[in-house]
Amino acid sequence: LAKTTQPISMDSYEGQEVNITCSHNNIATNDYITWYQQFPSQGPRFIIQGYKTKVTNEVASLFIPADRKSSTLSLPRVSLSDTAVYYCLVGEGAGNTDKLIFGTGTRLQVFP
Amino acid sequence: DTEVTQTPKHLVMGMTNKKSLKCEQHMGHRAMYWYKQKAKKPPELMFVYSYEKLSINESVPSRFSPECPNSSLLNLHLHALQPEDSALYLCASSQDTHRASRGYTFGSGTRLTVV
Repeated sequence: LAKTTQPISMDSYEGQEVNITCSHNNIATNDYITWYQQFPSQGPRFIIQGYKTKVTNEVASLFIPADRKSSTLSLPRVSLSDTAVYYCLVGEGAGNTDKLIFGTGTRLQVFP
Repeated sequence: DTEVTQTPKHLVMGMTNKKSLKCEQHMGHRAMYWYKQKAKKPPELMFVYSYEKLSINESVPSRFSPECPNSSLLNLHLHALQPEDSALYLCASSQDTHRASRGYTFGSGTRLTVV
């Protein structure tokens, strides 16, 4: 089972870069790493996905080392609206049936 | 259309009531999911449908009954619920359930209160 471990919470200030690390020691060869953002009383929102090395999009970067046992979500210059829970997900399942299991997530609080 | 639409947004029901939650997507996704989320906890997977067939039931009590009438719709029928079933119920869809196919699209959820 590819469980994930993240810090429970993080604090930051507006304009700073935030790095959230996720540990996934048992990641399978074919698994991708996906990060979601969730605001209160809303469904999680896809942020970024990667398999190895580095992926960047308009909102975040994802760094994955060669052994793929961890990954780091990087949010550049956060704002108050980035206050949310961030989940790191790695797929698991038997055969072709996939089920994404959410870990505890990291609650990010951004202060002015 | 890149959304998953859930109705109703809020639902209050008694323990003897029967109600249904609805989920709809028009992205051509062939996998749909139900998750349950309690306050300050991560979403917990309940059911997975792949090509309109139930592929995973995470040992969910029978008072929750999923249904997938077609590739765009997913229902969750509720009967004889308990107060501890009060939660945010989230529907999601993805292109398919293949391991390399990530990127779930979630709906905004139905906030269910059982009284």
